[in-house]
Amino acid sequence: AQSVTQLDSQVPVFEEAPVELRCNYSSSVSVYLFWYVQYPNQGLQLLLKYLSGSTLVESINGFEAEFNKSQTSFHLRKPSVHISDTAEYFCAVSKYSSASKIIFGSGTRLSIRP
Amino acid sequence: DADVTQTPRNRITKTGKRIMLECSQTKGHDRMYWYRQDPGLGLRLIYYSFDVKDINKGEISDGYSVSRQAQAKFSLSLESAIPNQTALYFCATRGGRDANTGELFFGEGSRLTVL
Repeated sequence: AQSVTQLDSQVPVFEEAPVELRCNYSSSVSVYLFWYVQYPNQGLQLLLKYLSGSTLVESINGFEAEFNKSQTSFHLRKPSVHISDTAEYFCAVSKYSSASKIIFGSGTRLSIRP
Repeated sequence: DADVTQTPRNRITKTGKRIMLECSQTKGHDRMYWYRQDPGLGLRLIYYSFDVKDINKGEISDGYSVSRQAQAKFSLSLESAIPNQTALYFCATRGGRDANTGELFFGEGSRLTVL
């Protein structure tokens, strides 16, 4: 069965500092990978996704994630964070063969200090 | 109006009571999902549905049942609520051209407290 591990439950950083949120998945077959963001008191929104092709994917607000098949990782990065990035971030995975079944990680709470 | 609407938004009930959470969508999507969110555990999949005749169990379906009354409606029931079912429940949809790879669209959540 597929599973997703987010190694850090909380990540505090200073504004304008770089950040990396880690995500590892376990699956013996090809997968689709996603990052979702949940702002306070809201539902989740898609941030970016990896389906195939280039292993580096980007979002419109400066986040990027790199698919690393050998390390089964899909870490999320941003070179310079802003207060507005304060949110909880969830990594998610689905297998090619059962793409409708989407499994989420436990989430990483990103807190930005001024 | 929201594309994915959940009712009720908040509910407090007692152990042993039957509870139904409802979800309706105006996106025309065929796939619908129920997740529960608990602090430190993220979102866990309860049930998902491809259409009115296709219901699938997720990671944690025990103690829950669902009904897909129409393409636009997907209800989650707790036949006999227990305190460890206290959580924030999310409905989500997916469909269109990217039914297998596209974005999940989430409702605003239903907070359930079981005393």
